[in-house]
Amino acid sequence: SAVISQKPSRDICQRGTSLTIQCQVDSQVTMMFWYRQQPGQSLTLIATANQGSEATYESGFVIDKFPISRPNLTFSTLTVSNMSPEDSSIYLCSVEGPRGVPSYNEQFFGPGTRLTVL
Amino acid sequence: AQSVTQLDSQVPVFEEAPVELRCNYSSSVSVYLFWYVQYPNQGLQLLLKYLSGSTLVKGINGFEAEFNKSQTSFHLRKPSVHISDTAEYFCAVTPGQAGTALIFGKGTTLSVSS
Repeated sequence: SAVISQKPSRDICQRGTSLTIQCQVDSQVTMMFWYRQQPGQSLTLIATANQGSEATYESGFVIDKFPISRPNLTFSTLTVSNMSPEDSSIYLCSVEGPRGVPSYNEQFFGPGTRLTVL
Repeated sequence: AQSVTQLDSQVPVFEEAPVELRCNYSSSVSVYLFWYVQYPNQGLQLLLKYLSGSTLVKGINGFEAEFNKSQTSFHLRKPSVHISDTAEYFCAVTPGQAGTALIFGKGTTLSVSS
């Protein structure tokens, strides 16, 4: 399995500011995924981050609003830029289980970052 | 494009009753199927997964699910629920290949009362 930590666990921010969320994994992984869970809603994929290349964004999400860094195989950041109240959500990072073990093809999730924008 | 439909947004049941949470998916290719549970104010936890092989999959906490390819369904069942099973349940699908993200259903809120 993979153990994932996220920082911060929660934050309250003012509109117009930016917040960077960190995701740390205890093993090397190729792909990392960032999801958003709006209040009372399901999870929506924001982007896929592959180490050494630009992140791939889903429809409705753009790099200027959600820039992602992936400097190595165990770490990624997601920035929520120029925030508005509509950005209030839980942001989760996720990785696939390592190859060659039973948990391969299973995705593991971090605890999430609960963001409130005032 | 793949999609997941969870047919019930809320399922209220009494303790010790059986429960079924329904999930249908749309895909023309092989898929992997998952059920995740999210307890209040907690992260996602995997209940069970179907990758291949036996269509009846057993997971944690007494849950099981059956993959039905002809009906493109992956319904979750438990023969006797507990108050502690109260949570949000998400069905998810991904194509049968590495490095692809999950597509989630909208979720089903299971409320167990005494």
